[in-house]
Amino acid sequence: NAGVTQTPKFQVLKTGQSMTLQCAQDMNHNSMYWYRQDPGMGLRLIYYSASEGTTDKGEVPNGYNVSRLNKREFSLRLESAAPSQTSVYFCASTNKTRAELGATNEKLFFGSGTQLSVL
Amino acid sequence: RKEVEQDPGPFNVPEGATVAFNCTYSNSASQSFFWYRQDCRKEPKLLMSVYSSGNEDGRFTAQLNRASQYISLLIRDSKLSDSATYLCVVTNTGNQFYFGTGTSLTVIP
Repeated sequence: NAGVTQTPKFQVLKTGQSMTLQCAQDMNHNSMYWYRQDPGMGLRLIYYSASEGTTDKGEVPNGYNVSRLNKREFSLRLESAAPSQTSVYFCASTNKTRAELGATNEKLFFGSGTQLSVL
Repeated sequence: RKEVEQDPGPFNVPEGATVAFNCTYSNSASQSFFWYRQDCRKEPKLLMSVYSSGNEDGRFTAQLNRASQYISLLIRDSKLSDSATYLCVVTNTGNQFYFGTGTSLTVIP
């Protein structure tokens, strides 16, 4: 059982280049998330999708776009990469819908991360 | 103001020691609470949920104080394998998970 699969694992871009980070989960989860993690900043939410067909901005959405292609896949796109977007990116998913919030047994499943460097 | 605040440490403790981490959250409407563990260059993984009555899982004990908006994690009899970064996490009504910056623990032989 693959869980959350995230690609690529590493990427180096030049300023202004574009790329898409791919994420897929095989657990039939409704909610999917993209985070970035920077030293001293913790994980910060970029965008999330509470269900297929919906996306919402998180704490740091500027410079990113997302697409919830179907229930399995949630991609993150950098249209014009900037050095400030150098970070480790994590995709995550959970099976709790908005109506089920409050349950204390929610669990976020993470992909293995993408280390992105923008020169 | 950050949703979740943690002491970043680092905490360096000898094997067998007891260590406690604290975390505060700013939104009184926060609904669910967790501790995640993150090893170097790896993804975070759920360590334990935190229940209102407090809960224990082996050597790990988690406490929640809603009145003070405070969460704690106690690790007893520390092992070398406990060395990691511990992340405090809360959820709100908007289906978002908020992470603290993490507390670094190194257990020394």
